[in-house]
Amino acid sequence: DAGVIQSPRHEVTEMGQEVTLRCKPISGHNSLFWYRQTMMRGLELLIYFNNNVPIDDSGMPEDRFSAKMPNASFSTLKIQPSEPRDSAVYFCASRPGENTEAFFGQGTRLTVV
Amino acid sequence: AQSVTQPDIHITVSEGASLELRCNYSYGATPYLFWYVQSPGQGLQLLLKYFSGDTLVQGIKGFEAEFKRSQSSFNLRKPSVHWSDAAEYFCAVGTGGGNKLTFGTGTQLKVEL
Repeated sequence: DAGVIQSPRHEVTEMGQEVTLRCKPISGHNSLFWYRQTMMRGLELLIYFNNNVPIDDSGMPEDRFSAKMPNASFSTLKIQPSEPRDSAVYFCASRPGENTEAFFGQGTRLTVV
Repeated sequence: AQSVTQPDIHITVSEGASLELRCNYSYGATPYLFWYVQSPGQGLQLLLKYFSGDTLVQGIKGFEAEFKRSQSSFNLRKPSVHWSDAAEYFCAVGTGGGNKLTFGTGTQLKVEL
């Protein structure tokens, strides 16, 4: 298995632009997480899905952030409009079911200038 | 709400010395506990996990951790550290309906040769 696949690996965009991060979870996994990692705040859970349904989005910082999971093999995290303070590494993780370990992708390093 | 505390932000040990990284959690019931390691520029890799049963769990790369309910702790240990163990280590707890996965702020391990 190729593991959790995130794209792009690096993204540089200008303030105000829309950014879309993509994630392909491991086949057969039914939970998916989006995390944001910064030096100041560490690893923050933004949102997670079970069976494609958002369960907890309380970590989404504001309305500029949105996440979707249209099917079991694909999820997106969108930021519109982007701001410099959104610069971070965004990780996607998936797991086979509740009470199992999560498997992480390599992350997307986002820089908003 | 559940939380995870890793009191040590940075730890430096000499190669060959023993290591203990601390993790405390806050949760009303028995949580599911994990330790992950992150090398620079990489995603998080699972070291070990505790779900139930024996409170001393063995993981990869010679790591072990002990769950102590009375102290709400899940400390990570290794008898003899190798230079390649230098990385950031995260403790995580899975709790609640839907099993939200929450991470601590991480401990950066430096190994002196």
